[in-house]
Parts: sequence; structure tokens; C-alpha cells
Amino acid sequence: SQQGEEDPQALSIQEGENATMNCSYKTSINNLQWYRQNSGRGLVHLILIRSNEREKHSGRLRVTLDTSKKSSSLLITASRAADTASYFCATDAWNSGGSNYKLTFGKGTLLTVNP
Amino acid sequence: AAGVIQSPRHLIKEKRETATLKCYPIPRHDTVYWYQQGPGQDPQFLISFYEKMQSDKGSIPDRFSAQQFSDYHSELNMSSLELGDSALYFCASSGRDTFNEKLFFGSGTQLSVL
Repeated sequence: SQQGEEDPQALSIQEGENATMNCSYKTSINNLQWYRQNSGRGLVHLILIRSNEREKHSGRLRVTLDTSKKSSSLLITASRAADTASYFCATDAWNSGGSNYKLTFGKGTLLTVNP
Repeated sequence: AAGVIQSPRHLIKEKRETATLKCYPIPRHDTVYWYQQGPGQDPQFLISFYEKMQSDKGSIPDRFSAQQFSDYHSELNMSSLELGDSALYFCASSGRDTFNEKLFFGSGTQLSVL
């Protein structure tokens, strides 16, 4: 199973509403990242939150991290139709030597914002 | 700003054929990653390279191989293609400018095996 599991799998809201997506993971992390993917396109980095941070903001995005519960949430405020996309959380892993870095993606939430 | 470039954008092959996917990372990025994403699935890590050496390996079949060249571009070679290999293949790169933590993805190669 994947490191990150998104919840819900699909979310449909009206423009102007807020959208909240959750992610749970299983192992220790250095940081957790959120990526966005438009249908059939590449993933775009949205925001990174480090394990010693609890909350981070970037424009209309707000990310929280609870390392005790191994969970994170992504909040998009005042959503727009252009926010329609799949959103993935990704957890990182460095090997013990600190030379290899890898991101493991969760299953994603498909967000649909209706005009 | 330059982004990660992947070619081809679309590729149609028949079973048992071979395919080569190319990736050109962002200039001065030293790490390249390959991911496979099936329909409705999350991206699965295949393999990564750092400074032209393989740095990590994920769920990459033995039929697949990859390398990073002296100009840092990478190629993913896929042989004896199977129907299940149909997927979107992404390349991503990272560099020291973001401590190699933030990945920049290309638009992907959509591989269809018939």
C-alpha cells in the first residue's frame, strides 16, 4: 500500500466554497508535500511542510501537519473552477547515507469545482 | 523558465515491442526520477539517478532499464512490452537550488500498448 492515503477520493464543491483534503501516512517523514495534477498532465508542486512545522500558508492554500497522527490536510479557500484537478500528497524518504531522496505519492483526491 | 521536457508526448506500441522514453531535466538539475501512473492511479516510483549514477530503484520491472547521460538527460528503455505497461510515464528532476526536495515534473509520455 502507498505511504500516503488521501481522503476523500473525490470531492465536488461549488465555486467560492472551501475544499479540504486529508492525507495519512505510515512512516516517519522529513517533509510532506502536496502536488496538483490536471487531467493527463504532469504534477505541479504546491507546497512543502517540514516535520517540525504544524501549519503553512501559500496564497489560498493552507496545509497542516500532525506528526503524532501521521496526517496532513490541504485546505483550498474560495475555490475556483480552475482549481479542478487531482491533488496528491507525497512523503519523502532519504536513505541512511543522505544521498538518495525519493517521494512516494498517495492515491490522490479528485477535486471538481463547479462554476 | 525552462521546464522538464519529455518525448514523445504519446507513443503507441504493440505487445512485445520496445519503447524508449526520453527526459531532459531542468538545466543544472542533477537528479532525475521516473514515475509510472496507471489510469486513476497514483504515480509509482520506478527509478532515479543522481549525477549519472542510479541512486534508487522502485517497482521497475526487469524488462525496463534506464540511464542518465553525461548531459544529464535520461532515457527509459522498455522491452517486451505488455498490455499492463500502458500508462503515463513521468520524468521529474530536482536540484540543489531546492535542496533536491522539490520535484519538477514533465508533462509525461502516454504509452499505449495494443
